[in-house]
Amino acid sequence: GQNIDQPTEMTATEGAIVQINCTYQTSGFNGLFWYQQHAGEAPTFLSYNVLDGLEEKGRFSSFLSRSKGYSYLLLKELQMKDSASYLCACMDSNYQLIWGAGTKLIIKP
Amino acid sequence: GAVVSQHPSWVICKSGTSVKIECRSLDFQATTMFWYRQFPKQSLMLMATSNEGSKATYEQGVEKDKFLINHASLTLSTLTVTSAHPEDSSFYICSARDLTSGETDTQYFGPGTRLTVL
Repeated sequence: GQNIDQPTEMTATEGAIVQINCTYQTSGFNGLFWYQQHAGEAPTFLSYNVLDGLEEKGRFSSFLSRSKGYSYLLLKELQMKDSASYLCACMDSNYQLIWGAGTKLIIKP
Repeated sequence: GAVVSQHPSWVICKSGTSVKIECRSLDFQATTMFWYRQFPKQSLMLMATSNEGSKATYEQGVEKDKFLINHASLTLSTLTVTSAHPEDSSFYICSARDLTSGETDTQYFGPGTRLTVL
């Protein structure tokens, strides 16, 4: 079956670095997405990885290892506004997005 | 970047009435739009995939006669919740696929519509 696993909740300190992991098993693979979702709002696109390696975008970086079925989202210099849920989603062979349950990130001062 | 709007942002209606939600891609053409539903503290659940000019493809367990989807143009898709009941109360989110974004088959999300059925 298809499955996306990510931690339910993480806590980090303002100014620090946090890594949110995601493991996946899907029928086919056409890329992995990370989305940020603040409470009561729709998700916003953060990153897309389809090749192995690290993609950096400002304070956010995303890594993919296709052989391991593994990705992580790295957030640096954490700010209070980064408190949100982070959703990992894989695109399968039918170009459908399979969603993880999301990781709630709590930032403390 | 690609912008998707949704209208209304929230709606309260009486049980038995129908509610229409609009999803528009503002600065790109979206041949495919997706409708999601999200319950509190849960992940997104895909309801249906809407292709311009053709019938929508519904996910298993989603009643197509209850959730009517129309994708009449490359920038507009509508979801109509017919004869709404309290259990239909949820956060409905649309997304649109921007095929001009290069290699990335990215979906851009509307802001969502919060439906409350009394």
